[in-house]
Amino acid sequence: AQSVTQLDSHVSVSEGTPVLLRCNYSSSYSPSLFWYVQHPNKGLQLLLKYTSAATLVKGINGFEAEFKKSETSFHLTKPSAHMSDAAEYFCVVSDGDSSASKIIFGSGTRLSIRP
Amino acid sequence: GAVVSQHPSRVICKSGTSVKIECRSLDFQATTMFWYRQFPKQSLMLMATSNEGSKATYEQGVEKDKFLINHASLTLSTLTVTSAHPEDSSFYICSASGHSGGPEETQYFGPGTRLLVL
Repeated sequence: AQSVTQLDSHVSVSEGTPVLLRCNYSSSYSPSLFWYVQHPNKGLQLLLKYTSAATLVKGINGFEAEFKKSETSFHLTKPSAHMSDAAEYFCVVSDGDSSASKIIFGSGTRLSIRP
Repeated sequence: GAVVSQHPSRVICKSGTSVKIECRSLDFQATTMFWYRQFPKQSLMLMATSNEGSKATYEQGVEKDKFLINHASLTLSTLTVTSAHPEDSSFYICSASGHSGGPEETQYFGPGTRLLVL
C-alpha cells in the first residue's frame, strides 16, 4: 500500500529565504506523487506532479520538487519565500496512473512566513 | 484549469437532520468524483469514490447508509449526511476527474463545505 509521511507539521521561514518541505513516500511500485497547497477558505490547488518522467519537477509559483528513489523522498523547495506562500501544503501519492486513481494525502505541513 | 464548485460553502444544522452537499464540475465532464473529509488541523481522508451512473465505493470505516452519495450526471455528485450528529461536523471536500481538456489529466478540487451540527 502507498503512503506518504510529511516530516514537519509546521515550518516557519523569513520572507526571501529558501523553503524546504519534506515528504517521504512508501510505494510498492513507481508512484505518482503530487504537492497540493491549501489556502484558508480556498480549494486545494495542484502545485506540481511527478509521473516518472524528469526527476526534478517544476511547478507553479516558483516551487519545485525532486524525486529521489534511493531516499524515497519528494521534498518541495522554493528559493525565496513570499508572504503569499503562507498556507497548508500536502504531499500526495496516487495508487495508479489515471486521474481516477485514489490518492492518499500526507498529514500536511503548515508554512508560515515571517516578515 | 477546470473548475469544481460546492454548495453550500457552509451549513449549520440541528442534530438529527439531513444535509445535502452538491459538487459540480463546471466546465468538464467528471467521470469520477471523490469525497473527502477533513477534521481541523488534519489531513484529508478519502470517504468514497463515485463513478457516474454506478454505486459509490466507500472506504473502510465509512458508513454508506449515513453518507449517501449520488453521481447522477457527469457534472453533479451529491453527498447527503443523514441524521447528522455533532461528530459529523467537519470540512467536506469533493474532487472530480475526467476529460477536462487541460494539459494534464488530474483531479480538481472543490472549495469545500464546512458542516456544523449543533
